[in-house]
Amino acid sequence: QVQLVQSGAEVKKPGASVRVSCKASGYTFSLYYMHWVRQAPGQGLEWMGVINPAGGSTNYAQKFQDRVTVTRDTSTSTVYVEVTTLRSEDTAIYYCVRGGRSWGSPFDSWGQGTLVTVSS
Amino acid sequence: DIVMTQSPHSLAVSLGERATINCKSSQSVLYNSNSKNFLAWYQQKPRQPPKLLISWASTRESGVPDRFSGSGSGTDFTLTISSLQAEDVAVYFCQQYYITPPTFGGGTKVEI
Repeated sequence: QVQLVQSGAEVKKPGASVRVSCKASGYTFSLYYMHWVRQAPGQGLEWMGVINPAGGSTNYAQKFQDRVTVTRDTSTSTVYVEVTTLRSEDTAIYYCVRGGRSWGSPFDSWGQGTLVTVSS
Repeated sequence: DIVMTQSPHSLAVSLGERATINCKSSQSVLYNSNSKNFLAWYQQKPRQPPKLLISWASTRESGVPDRFSGSGSGTDFTLTISSLQAEDVAVYFCQQYYITPPTFGGGTKVEI
């Protein structure tokens, strides 16, 4: 069965960077897009970006273009998201989410989430 | 960006009664070439990640009870829980995946 296992919670100071990992198993890693979605405490869901694991191409939400980088390591079936210049508003649960084999597909499997807390 | 607007923000339903959640998109998410609506519904229980319930506006995912149904087309969609069970207490989100960026509704909290 599809499993997405994320790295543990992080506490960072404003201005720092954070990298969250997501290890995929149970399917052919290169065939499915992988997205990152975040959820601030008590809030809704916000799409951050996506990677095509086959070729590594990425696409980001406009508000994250300058601060977010999504990468992948095909040898370990792991996807990463890095957020730089953290601010308090970045405090959220970050989810990796499997998309489909083609663009324009629902999000069918979610990681357990990684809480990132930004606090001085 | 396509704006997804859900209503109501919250609702309380008695056990066994019907719950209806509405979702409206700021532009159509119907792809005319294949007549598919690029609209999904997710369920999020406390301290859990969201779970895909319905895709393509009306296709239930494997294992989802048939009391959950989705309907609508174009810009107006509905999620119906025909007979609410205690385990259905959750927040429900709609999402369009027609145009990048994919966007979510603000969520509807369903309580007993």
